[in-house]
Amino acid sequence: SQQGEEDPQALSIQEGENATMNCSYKTSINNLQWYRQNSGRGLVHLILIRSNEREKHSGRLRVTLDTSKKSSSLLITASRAADTASYFCATSNFGNEKLTFGTGTRLTIIP
Amino acid sequence: DAGVIQSPRHEVTEMGQEVTLRCKPISGHDYLFWYRQTMMRGLELLIYFNNNVPIDDSGMPEDRFSAKMPNASFSTLKIQPSEPRDSAVYFCASSLGGAALDGYTFGSGTRLTVV
Repeated sequence: SQQGEEDPQALSIQEGENATMNCSYKTSINNLQWYRQNSGRGLVHLILIRSNEREKHSGRLRVTLDTSKKSSSLLITASRAADTASYFCATSNFGNEKLTFGTGTRLTIIP
Repeated sequence: DAGVIQSPRHEVTEMGQEVTLRCKPISGHDYLFWYRQTMMRGLELLIYFNNNVPIDDSGMPEDRFSAKMPNASFSTLKIQPSEPRDSAVYFCASSLGGAALDGYTFGSGTRLTVV
């Protein structure tokens, strides 16, 4: 079953613009992770944010977490053509080691 | 490290045949996960192992599916007999500390087509 729902399902922006994707989830979490998947490839881990953190940065990525609203956002600044991919959020619940993935946002960067 | 290695990359088989998918995790990673990805259902966890022991197989769809991890460097996912609805991309992933501590490293996947 899917824990996370990403919004929007698809997003197209011009190169250089910022891209924002949102993730909502249903139950209490231990941490939330974001992954990228290029077409025909496996998923690549981008960033992990713990339930007691509110914001985290990694290069051009900025992730926020609002546990009261059960939501997270991923911001990619100064987008590049190479950022074209699907982006998934995944949640980890207390007491187990498995990740439950959301439905994904397909991001297209237009050169 | 070469990362998580899956084989084969593509598999086309006839309905009723046995299919075996293979995975070599990253050395030193204690956790191994098998996921299935389809357009309709997204990414679904099938089973995961900790230190070669199956911990949660609640996602295995039917008795036709079985998974083993005979040692720390090898795991298999077997489907017998295969059916067209098993067509999907199957991913193996490994993790040092599990989802509570770490991200996963995914393999490139096996695209299975059952005709």
